Amino acid sequence: KNEVEQSPQNLTAQEGEFITINCSYSVGISALHWLQQHPGGGIVSLFMLSSGKKKHGRLIATINIQEKHSSLHITASHPRDSAVYICAVYSQGGSEKLVFGKGTKLTVNP
Amino acid sequence: NAGVTQTPKFRVLKTGQSMTLLCAQDMNHEYMYWYRQDPGMGLRLIHYSVGEGTTAKGEVPDGYNVSRLKKQNFLLGLESAAPSQTSVYFCASSLIGQGASGQPQHFGDGTRLSIL
Repeated sequence: KNEVEQSPQNLTAQEGEFITINCSYSVGISALHWLQQHPGGGIVSLFMLSSGKKKHGRLIATINIQEKHSSLHITASHPRDSAVYICAVYSQGGSEKLVFGKGTKLTVNP
Repeated sequence: NAGVTQTPKFRVLKTGQSMTLLCAQDMNHEYMYWYRQDPGMGLRLIHYSVGEGTTAKGEVPDGYNVSRLKKQNFLLGLESAAPSQTSVYFCASSLIGQGASGQPQHFGDGTRLSIL
């Protein structure tokens, strides 16, 4: 079993819909990273969080440390949000290394 | 301010050939990482460096070597390329390593490498 599991693997939505992508992990962590990978291949950091909730524009990330779960929400989705969203965690104990989920491929249709 | 720059962007090699991938960052970051990304798998760490002159093995180091002679550069070498090393390679850097500090990793655009 992977240390970081994402669901769903693939998600198709209509423009304007509210999107939720889930990430569960099995290890104690010091922080969790949400990343976005566009069809061109580049990877961009969206959020890094260790507790609570962060918001940037139409993107919201939440984390529940006790339940070992994080969600990424996209409000009023747009075709330009189509990308692969990747969850990654830093294990507790001062690890310098990220452990990555396999990603969720989001397609938003106009 | 270019961030993290990878060269080359694409390369095709024959089995047994050698090559070096270059990663350069201009953010004065201490930590640098090389990952590979394969279909159906998450990014996997090949090697990383916590500072100039240091390197360490990641999850999948076999067949690769690295060097960090200058703080801004992290080189990934394939001494004798094999088809199993066909992948997309990403370099990343961060100011310091631990996520609790709130410092994210910054990624390059990737190098698509095919070994025939």
